[in-house]
Amino acid sequence: QQQVKQSPQSLIVQKGGISIINCAYENTAFDYFPWYQQFPGKGPALLIAIRPDVSEKKEGRFTISFNKSAKQFSLHIMDSQPGDSATYFCPPPGGFKTIFGAGTRLFVKA
Amino acid sequence: GAVVSQHPSRVICKSGTSVKIECRSLDFQATTMFWYRQFPKQSLMLMATSNEGSKATYEQGVEKDKFLINHASLTLSTLTVTSAHPEDSSFYICSAFSGTGELFFGEGSRLTVL
Repeated sequence: QQQVKQSPQSLIVQKGGISIINCAYENTAFDYFPWYQQFPGKGPALLIAIRPDVSEKKEGRFTISFNKSAKQFSLHIMDSQPGDSATYFCPPPGGFKTIFGAGTRLFVKA
Repeated sequence: GAVVSQHPSRVICKSGTSVKIECRSLDFQATTMFWYRQFPKQSLMLMATSNEGSKATYEQGVEKDKFLINHASLTLSTLTVTSAHPEDSSFYICSAFSGTGELFFGEGSRLTVL
């Protein structure tokens, strides 16, 4: 299992700002790459996912992108809102068993 | 989208008793499900992989006799915490891959052992 390097560990953004979370891997061969959002006391929920036939996918204020040269996946949250305050996880791409990193705790100030 | 349901969402039990948590895939069949444990403000720790019709595969350091996993059908996996103690108090979460290859999580089960 390859290791996941997610950054930053925590992030504070003003309301309306852009939140950027990155995940880096040693080997970025993948067939499915999801981002998960978890609120306290709840299970992680699938937020947005990307497959290798595209380098970027946008759903509303959320955009997931893949930088092949940097071996990095990124989640951008535009016009961040207090309701976006949660922990965000990226798992290793592909694979049958998923092991999660520490996640990024996002706090959006009102 | 695909839904994974966990029950109960919260359970409180006395030390020494056993507690069963159910994980169901509601609209797809799941030959494999995963069980995680999560401590406050920490990431998901994979405990075991539940395989339908066969024995679960446990991660290193997870006691299989303590955390019994049964995956008797394609839509149900159960985690039984046997002889629970206060240190077993945690948030337990299951997940499963849908037929389209997406990983969905249950809502989680908060176990408190008194």
